[in-house]
Amino acid sequence: DVKVTQSSRYLVKRTGEKVFLECVQDMDHENMFWYRQDPGLGLRLIYFSYDVKMKEKGDIPEGYSVSREKKERFSLILESASTNQTSMYLCASRMDTSGANVLTFGAGSRLTVL
Amino acid sequence: DAKTTQPNSMESNEEEPVHLPCNHSTISGTDYIHWYRQLPSQGPEYVIHGLTSNVNNRMASLAIAEDRKSSTLILHRATLRDAAVYYCILIDNYGQNFVFGPGTRLSVLP
Repeated sequence: DVKVTQSSRYLVKRTGEKVFLECVQDMDHENMFWYRQDPGLGLRLIYFSYDVKMKEKGDIPEGYSVSREKKERFSLILESASTNQTSMYLCASRMDTSGANVLTFGAGSRLTVL
Repeated sequence: DAKTTQPNSMESNEEEPVHLPCNHSTISGTDYIHWYRQLPSQGPEYVIHGLTSNVNNRMASLAIAEDRKSSTLILHRATLRDAAVYYCILIDNYGQNFVFGPGTRLSVLP
């Protein structure tokens, strides 16, 4: 089974801190995604990557950046955390750019910014 | 972008079948219909997907309308562990348009 591992389940940071959320998948998937999930809003796509060193903005990229230096790892970076970035962050991966390929999600990282 | 609409919530009794509807009236010919569910405190997990024909797997069945403008996820015998938020999303053949709406919160009563 594909495994998507998010490094931290719970984080508490202060306003202005730089935050790294790490995601690793173990099945050589080409595509990786970062979503945030907030009550009543469903999942919203922040960034995605079709391949190493490639990135595309999703629906809400402001305040975030990403890094994909290796195929298995996709990092989400909050350069200067703000309280409105308190949320659940979900990483997902998929084999390639085909609609028939399913998304596999990690367990999520709950970030609280004080 | 093609979007889906689902009821906010549904309720079922344990061991009864559950039919979760999804409308996608603007679906295009190359869009796949995917269903995911999210159990409490977990990330979403894949349930089933299809293009035109009905699909069955060990978790559920997917019934797709002939015009493809709607679909129904069928849980044949609901268990308490099926209580979750169920998401219906469309993914085109280029792998894009993966928009998750609020989904349907399914409650299963013992």
